[in-house]
Parts: sequence; C-alpha cells; structure tokens
Amino acid sequence: SQKIEQNSEALNIQEGKTATLTCNYTNYSPAYLQWYRQDPGRGPVFLLLIRENEKEKRKERLKVTFDTTLKQSLFHITASQPADSATYLCARSGGNQAGTALIFGKGTTLSVSS
Amino acid sequence: GAVVSQHPSWVICKSGTSVKIECRSLDFQATTMFWYRQFPKQSLMLMATSNEGSKATYEQGVEKDKFLINHASLTLSTLTVTSAHPEDSSFYICSAGGGFYGYTFGSGTRLTVV
Repeated sequence: SQKIEQNSEALNIQEGKTATLTCNYTNYSPAYLQWYRQDPGRGPVFLLLIRENEKEKRKERLKVTFDTTLKQSLFHITASQPADSATYLCARSGGNQAGTALIFGKGTTLSVSS
Repeated sequence: GAVVSQHPSWVICKSGTSVKIECRSLDFQATTMFWYRQFPKQSLMLMATSNEGSKATYEQGVEKDKFLINHASLTLSTLTVTSAHPEDSSFYICSAGGGFYGYTFGSGTRLTVV
C-alpha cells in the first residue's frame, strides 16, 4: 500500500539548534509533498510545499528537501525557538489538483527548550 | 490569505442526538472541501470529500448514513453526526484549497458525546 511515514513521534532539542524531521514514502512517487504545523486543539497550518523536481525549498528559517532516490523529505528548522514547539505533519497528494485530498503522516512533535 | 471558518469550536451532546458542524470558505469559493477526524495523539484521517452540488465521497469504513455531508453552496459544507455515540467523540477538521499554495484548514471542532 502507499504509505507516508514519519517515524519519530517526538523530537526534543535545545533552543538555537537545528531541528530535522523526516518523512518517508513507499510504493508510490508523489508529485509533491507538503509540510504543516499543528498546535494542540487547532487545525494544521500550511508551511511549505516541495515538488518532485525540486531538491530544496526555503522559507525564512524553514528548509525542506526532497530526495526521490531515498524516497524521503527532510524538514529543517534552523535557530529553533520555544515558539517552534508544535506537531509537524508531512502530507502527500496525488497531483496538482484542488480536488485531491491530503493524506497525512502521523506527525512529529517538536519540543524546543530554552 | 485564504480563510476557512469552522463552527462550533467545541460541542458537548448527549448520546443519541445529532450535531451539525459548519465549514465556510470566507474569501474564496470551494467546489471541494474535505473532512478529517483526529483522535488524541493520532494524525488526521480523511473521512470524506465534499463536492458542491453533488454527493460526498466517503472513505472506506466511514458510515455515510451516520456522517451526513451537505455542500449546498460554493462557500459552505456541513457535517452532521447523526445519533452520536461516545465513540464518535473526536476532533473534526475541514479543509479547502489545494494546489501549489497548500490547503487551508478550519480551526477544528471538538465533539464530546456523553
């Protein structure tokens, strides 16, 4: 079956360090992957999207990579802050179509301590 | 940016009663909206795709007679949980949008059935 997996349930790091979260996919080739942030009791918020033909995408302190050989996307937060503490979700969609639902990984809960 | 408004934020109902959750796209039209359910410490699970002017498409294992979806206009989709039972207690989230600009999610509805 087509799977999207975030194997680390939790990640604890010190403020100022770089957080790296992993998303792996199996049995398919997604046209793009998306990353979302979810705070407790809230809906997810879109962060970044990376297409299969893009190696890297950046937005402020965030960076996403897409390695089609390893079937993996890495999500980095540089100079992490306690306010970055949240659950980060990786999601796939079938293509560039507004009518296609997202399928989410289980998420990684990041805790940044000061 | 695109905004999706979801109401109510939380609701407590008695077992056997029905609850309606509304999802509105405030500044854009959405021919398609998606409904997700999230249990504690788990990821979002797609329940159904709501299509304006036509029947919703339900995921395998989701009872369409229990979770009634109506998408009567381009800005409003509703999810009605009929004859709710304690096992229906969950966090329900809607979303719309998509493509390369990501999806916009509502703030979620916490349903507690007592």
